Formats: sequence, structure tokens, C-alpha cells
Amino acid sequence: GAGVSQSPSNKVTEKGKDVELRCDPISGHTALYWYRQSLGQGLEFLIYFQGNSAPDKSGLPSDRFSAERTGGSVSTLTIQRTQQEDSAVYLCASSLGQAYNEQFFGPGTRLTVL
Amino acid sequence: RKEVEQDPGPFNVPEGATVAFNCTYSNSASQSFFWYRQDCRKEPKLLMSVYSSGNEDGRFTAQLNRASQYISLLIRDSKLSDSATFVCTGSQGNLIFGKGTKLSVKP
Repeated sequence: GAGVSQSPSNKVTEKGKDVELRCDPISGHTALYWYRQSLGQGLEFLIYFQGNSAPDKSGLPSDRFSAERTGGSVSTLTIQRTQQEDSAVYLCASSLGQAYNEQFFGPGTRLTVL
Repeated sequence: RKEVEQDPGPFNVPEGATVAFNCTYSNSASQSFFWYRQDCRKEPKLLMSVYSSGNEDGRFTAQLNRASQYISLLIRDSKLSDSATFVCTGSQGNLIFGKGTKLSVKP
């Protein structure tokens, strides 16, 4: 497909478990972003990649959150020791070239921590 | 001051109405402005870019006022299918997203 894909689409986990969320950006898009969105709220920026480096990880809420990107393509967001407040939709977006270009979003992963 | 601010709404309008949203941004050096549409429980989708000279796409018109640091979106002849949340962006390096304005178009 031509768009941003994310997996899984839904993830239910127990408090304290680790989860990995995957994002496959649009081919050729060098910039990749992770956001979090709670129900009825706006987008919360988490981290930005340009290629494989993360020049801005200022939005990661705690050291339980980490992300990596390999080969300038796929990215994985990892949440360790999940808490109930981590429950949200995690959205990935990618853009071509500069960070201020328009972003295209994937369908998101809905994370529920019980 | 928040970087990008929008009235959260909801704006409740009848079909056929014209409705306008404003969005203010704090960074005078912002380079990129976009309007996104987000349907309930879906991801944001790019609606249109906002150019300095203003631009129109069918029933939608976007404008930028750099002096007052705001962008606007005008929707003419509202349709039921326009019901959604409209999210604006400014930029500060990366795009900065507003929290969105909810529009509900009623029959």
C-alpha cells in the first residue's frame, strides 16, 4: 500500500507488561513522527526521526518510552512496564524531506492497559 | 501561551450554512500551515495547505494572516459529511498541531 501502516491495530495488555508498536512509513519519507492521542484530546507529540536519528525526543513522557528506527524506514515504539495511563491511540506519521512539510498519518494503534 | 490555539467548539450548524474557524499561532517564524480533518476514532487526514495568498478547494477556503498570526478555514454550503474535528498547524521546526475544533452539521 502507498500509505503509512501501523501494527497492531489494537493491543490489550496487562499493567506492567512491555509492548512494541510498529510503524511503516510511506516509501521515501525521511521524517517519521510518533504521537499519542487520548480520547477526545489533541495530538501529543512524542518523538521525531530524520533518517535513523532522533533529533527531537522531547515528548517522550518517561524513560519507560523509547523508539528506534532502522534502515531509514520502519520504526518501533516500545513502552516498558505499561501503566493504565498509557492507554491511548498511538499514531505514526511520515513526511518527505523537511520537518515542516505536511505529515501523513497511519491508522494508529489503540493501546489498552488493564 | 500555547503554540497553536483553536476554539474547541463544538460548532453546531445547519446544513447549507457557512462556518469559519480561526487558529492562532505564537511562533512568528512559522513556515508551514495546514488544515487537517479528523473523523471520530480515525487518524487526521490532510485537508489543505494554507498559502500566503489564500487558497480555495471547492467549498473550502483557507487564509493566512501573518501580521495577526492566525489562519482561517471557511466552509461554505456545509454538508452532513463535514461533521468532524478540524485541526490546524503552525510550525517550529516540526509541525505543531492545535487541539482541533469540532464541527457538527445538523439536518
